[in-house]
Amino acid sequence: QKEVEQDPGPLSVPEGAIVSLNCTYSNSAFQYFMWYRQYSRKGPELLMYTYSSGNKEDGRFTAQVDKSSKYISLFIRDSQPSDSATYLCAMLAGGTSYGKLTFGQGTILTVHP
Amino acid sequence: EPEVTQTPSHQVTQMGQEVILRCVPISNHLYFYWYRQILGQKVEFLVSFYNNEISEKSEIFDDQFSVERPDGSNFTLKIRSTKLEDSAMYFCASSSGTSGMAQYFGPGTRLLVL
Repeated sequence: QKEVEQDPGPLSVPEGAIVSLNCTYSNSAFQYFMWYRQYSRKGPELLMYTYSSGNKEDGRFTAQVDKSSKYISLFIRDSQPSDSATYLCAMLAGGTSYGKLTFGQGTILTVHP
Repeated sequence: EPEVTQTPSHQVTQMGQEVILRCVPISNHLYFYWYRQILGQKVEFLVSFYNNEISEKSEIFDDQFSVERPDGSNFTLKIRSTKLEDSAMYFCASSSGTSGMAQYFGPGTRLLVL
């Protein structure tokens, strides 16, 4: 079983739709959860990070963590064509992990006008 | 807004040659990382670096790889004898906190080994 699983999509939605992106994980040591956005041939751009179970909101983005189910989500409200990118979840173990992020495969999102 | 920068953006080299990839992390960050992404695959951790020492390295980071902070601003990744399978996008990242949670990535160096 892979440590982090993420449906690669592709996911295509109309402008204005609510987008739901998800990752599951198997390693109980993961304590910190990040979402990155990556445009084609660019570096990952940090969108949100969270530690706790529950929801964290930032503008049109909401990150949700359910540690009991080992499941994280990113919701994008009022999606825009500029949101078209690959979305990567990333996870970090607590304790002496020294910052080693474990990434999901990434979900390719296209928002069409 | 401060950002991580990397040079060169592209590098083409012959198998067996040495390459040095350079990064300038965000200025007040203390923790530095290298990741790579082979085309179509996941971003993979290579190494983390703090206080002039390697903190953790992956199984990918073998004796052909080394990292250095030669001065107060640069952070480098050296591949001593490149192999075809080293062709990938290499990302540098930095963070300020000890948890490594908020890591900011550079734009990457695309390395092609022929």
